[in-house]
Amino acid sequence: GAVVSQHPSRVICKSGTSVKIECRSLDFQATTMFWYRQFPKQSLMLMATSNEGSKATYEQGVEKDKFLINHASLTLSTLTVTSAHPEDSSFYICSAFRGATLQNTEAFFGQGTRLTVV
Amino acid sequence: GNSVTQMEGPVTLSEEAFLTINCTYTATGYPSLFWYVQYPGEGLQLLLKATKADDKGSNKGFEATYRKETTSFHLEKGSVQVSDSAVYFCALNDMRFGAGTRLTVKP
Repeated sequence: GAVVSQHPSRVICKSGTSVKIECRSLDFQATTMFWYRQFPKQSLMLMATSNEGSKATYEQGVEKDKFLINHASLTLSTLTVTSAHPEDSSFYICSAFRGATLQNTEAFFGQGTRLTVV
Repeated sequence: GNSVTQMEGPVTLSEEAFLTINCTYTATGYPSLFWYVQYPGEGLQLLLKATKADDKGSNKGFEATYRKETTSFHLEKGSVQVSDSAVYFCALNDMRFGAGTRLTVKP
């Protein structure tokens, strides 16, 4: 199957600093990528939809100035957590579709990034 | 808006027991429906899918039937194994997921 690589897998940062997480589709082009936050009881919350060459679409309640998303190429999307605080500590996951339509194609997921803000 | 409601877990079963994880959805039109699985320490991966009403998705002994009349896509397996222990997510094609159900199968 297709491969989505997420980096780093773990990061610890100090409160007030910014952290960038990368999501790459290694063997296909991804027009659309998605960013999720997974909570301790495994619930997966869609944060935003990242579209190559345009602004990301954020879900209700997600601060776009806090979670900056850039999808500059067909193989790379980045999520930057700005001015991180301990409550931002979580597991962040990205996914990508191989095709241009969502109707019947599957998503491929990165391994996730464990962010700890101290 | 679209949403997915999934049976809360955790679910603990003995090996060879029958499994059902309920999933219902709210959506406009006729979305494709998916079940994803997250094994311990791994990323999510597609388990099965169905793209239209009455379709049955199946994989690894798991099955789910797209029921438009009840807006459901329940996951079933007749005889679970220890290796099926994982978190299972129901999802729509707009990438909205249910809350996830943790399954633990004991030998």
